[in-house]
Order: sequence, then structure tokens, then C-alpha cells
Amino acid sequence: ETGVTQSPTHLIKTRGQQVTLRCSSQSGHNTVSWYQQALGQGPQFIFQYYREEENGRGNFPPRFSGLQFPNYSSELNVNALELDDSALYLCASSWGPDDRDTQYFGPGTRLTVL
Amino acid sequence: ILNVEQSPQSLHVQEGDSTNFTCSFPSSNFYALHWYRWETAKSPEALFVMTLNGDEKKKGRISATLNTKEGYSYLYIKGSQPEDSATYLCAFYPFMNTGFQKLVFGTGTRLLVSP
Repeated sequence: ETGVTQSPTHLIKTRGQQVTLRCSSQSGHNTVSWYQQALGQGPQFIFQYYREEENGRGNFPPRFSGLQFPNYSSELNVNALELDDSALYLCASSWGPDDRDTQYFGPGTRLTVL
Repeated sequence: ILNVEQSPQSLHVQEGDSTNFTCSFPSSNFYALHWYRWETAKSPEALFVMTLNGDEKKKGRISATLNTKEGYSYLYIKGSQPEDSATYLCAFYPFMNTGFQKLVFGTGTRLLVSP
């Protein structure tokens, strides 16, 4: 059983640029959730995708957008990067959208915005 | 805004000590509580999903209890080992009339176990 993978591991961008982060869900999982963890904080929910549709969104501006593909892998896109976007971005996959289901996390992508 | 608090923020114990941490969450609108262990440079690993008041879960030397009426969960580690060193995160899942919300995480308790 392949676990959740994320790419890239680290990324450095400058303010105003755009970035795409990728997540491959665990085999059999149809739901992917994305989280942002800023320094000293717990992960903050960005959004969730279930069967290629957005299924809930946290308190993040529209420049944070996502996609889920037919194989249930997912992308997180961030436009017009700001310094405060520097964080660890985690994705998690699960069997379904009910958050009583265990979520399986990837190792994260560390984004630094200069 | 839903607030999930974990205490202590960090803990340093000796090998063999038993320890426990607290996760506090709003007692109304409870739906589920998750515990995760997160070792440095690895992925967060699910420990428990707790849904019922009075729930007790156990995995090896780690156990957790849940009190939804007063809004807290305890995580216990019996006979701590150096490999237990990690950050322990709890995440609260509320039920709202407008539909399900998503997981709200605490900031974690960082545990260091010295040999």
C-alpha cells in the first residue's frame, strides 16, 4: 500500500509569484484535504476535495485554489504569493469526506517566500 | 472561532517515566476528536479517532480518554521511550447545523524523552 506523497519537498519563491504543490493520495482514497502550518501553529484547514469537487473550504483567500484529478491526486495552487504564505503545506487523504475517517498525511512541502 | 488548546506546550521526561497531556475543545457541537503523533521530518501519524463520551482507546503503551461533556481528552504514555519523542497533535471535528465543518487542530505538545 503506497502512502501519501507530496512534491516538491522544499520550494523557494519570491513575492508575487505563483506556486503549485502536488499530492498523491493513498491507494483507494477518494478525498484529499490540504492544510497550512505556519511556524508555531497547528495545521490550518485550507480546503478539501472529494471525487474531484471542492467539499469545504477554510478561511483562505481565493488566490488559494485546488484541483483533484480522476486518480484522486490533487494540486494546491497559490497565486500572488505573499511573505505570510511561507509555511509547511500538508495534504491528507482519506476513504471519504467524513472527518471521523482517519486522515493519512504526507510529509509536507516547505514553502519559503522571499 | 473554534479554539483547541493543548497543554503543556512541551515536556521533557526521562526514559521510563509515564506522562500525559491534555487537549481542550468546545464541549458543544462535538462530533469527533483525532490524536496524531508527528515525528520530526516525517508525516503525522494517526493514533486515535474518538467519537463517544467516555471513549478509551489504547495502542501499545499509548492510551487516550475522552470527556465530551467537559470538553477535554487526555493522552497517556506509559513508560516513555526515546522513540516516543515527537509532537502530539489533537484535532477537533465539530458538528454545525449548517453542515459539517473540518478538523480544527491544536498547536501540539512536544515531547522529548531522554535515555
